Amino acid sequence: AQSVTQLDSHVSVSEGTPVLLRCNYSSSYSPSLFWYVQHPNKGLQLLLKYTSAATLVKGINGFEAEFKKSETSFHLTKPSAHMSDAAEYFCVVRPNTGNQFYFGTGTSLTVIP
Amino acid sequence: GAGVSQSPRYKVAKRGQDVALRCDPISGHVSLFWYQQALGQGPEFLTYFQNEAQLDKSGLPSDRFFAERPEGSVSTLKIQRTQQEDSAVYLCASSLRSIGVATNEKLFFGSGTQLSVL
Repeated sequence: AQSVTQLDSHVSVSEGTPVLLRCNYSSSYSPSLFWYVQHPNKGLQLLLKYTSAATLVKGINGFEAEFKKSETSFHLTKPSAHMSDAAEYFCVVRPNTGNQFYFGTGTSLTVIP
Repeated sequence: GAGVSQSPRYKVAKRGQDVALRCDPISGHVSLFWYQQALGQGPEFLTYFQNEAQLDKSGLPSDRFFAERPEGSVSTLKIQRTQQEDSAVYLCASSLRSIGVATNEKLFFGSGTQLSVL
């Protein structure tokens, strides 16, 4: 069975401080992992994806995520938050069999000026 | 077009009405997904097409939900006899290749259709 757990439904940070959005997954096999961002009234946009080439994945807008197999985690980080980062973030698991992408319940990021 | 287009953007239906939601994927994209996103939740899988073939419809919540993609491009999600629990945002996503070919395939999402059933 596959599942995705986003540990925080809401995260609030001050502008210029680090961002950490946590994601844990369970999967029978080595999955592909993604982070998507959803701004209000806009479509989901891919931030980054884990392709098994490197455990530290760099994405757009300064975001990174580290795949830790031993912890079954794929946490999203950014060194310095910007006001434009305020959005809903989804961790997504794609098992290596089948055709489904499994979304977490999302983390709402608020950036305080 | 430049991206995935969905119409209408908003749809209000009276309970019991039938609705049809349209998705125009990126031209040439093989894979097409429909997702349902309830308020405050992550998107939930409904169905998957590879070209015109509906390979997976395991996520459709009832036989009132029907999806088609007859020519392998535009897709329509139809909901018959709508119920209040059908109120959600319906998202369409497309991908260049067949999902079975590459596990790290990128999905391109439309902005969704927000369905409200009164």
